[in-house]
Amino acid sequence: DQQVKQNSPSLSVQEGRISILNCDYTNSMFDYFLWYKKYPAEGPTFLISISSIKDKNEDGRFTVFLNKSAKHLSLHIVPSQPGDSAVYFCAAKTSGTYKYIFGTGTRLKVLA
Amino acid sequence: EAGVAQSPRYKIIEKRQSVAFWCNPISGHATLYWYQQILGQGPKLLIQFQNNGVVDDSQLPKDRFSAERLKGVDSTLKIQPAKLEDSAVYLCASSPAAEETQYFGPGTRLLVL
Repeated sequence: DQQVKQNSPSLSVQEGRISILNCDYTNSMFDYFLWYKKYPAEGPTFLISISSIKDKNEDGRFTVFLNKSAKHLSLHIVPSQPGDSAVYFCAAKTSGTYKYIFGTGTRLKVLA
Repeated sequence: EAGVAQSPRYKIIEKRQSVAFWCNPISGHATLYWYQQILGQGPKLLIQFQNNGVVDDSQLPKDRFSAERLKGVDSTLKIQPAKLEDSAVYLCASSPAAEETQYFGPGTRLLVL
């Protein structure tokens, strides 16, 4: 049972445009969400997080939106840069636990 | 600050053989995690240590997988005997405390033939 889903395995975007990566979850008890970025042959690196008490969190070019009623979160990258080309994972957990459930990842390619 | 170190980076073995992976977390990080990432899937937590104690090993196939974190610093993950379906990247991560951001190592890519 895949509790965290990233339905788009890949996405291509022109440099300078907006990249939108989506993530859906099924467990309504999840209340903390993360996005990780992964380059080839490297481990995932933390990008941005959001708690369920918020519906938006921003860090520079990266913004995460959370829609609790739809059980959906999205990561917006504006403007997209070639260095953003990587695999992006969303992850979710329930408060009081330490176990994150990861999605399957979306490969973003930013075209110069 | 040095990141999470893992070795080896790559390993090829035949089924039924044994293999061990090593992880050295970021200095001072109390919490250590081992994840398994099968191709096309997200990382799946195998085991979590808090210092040298196990917090969660509910998804560790204990009939063939074992892990230890003696002295609460570095850790080893062993598979004995390996099966074809164990082919994956094994990621180690650490965090200062259980609720804090996890920092991942580069992973060990295992291929079981």
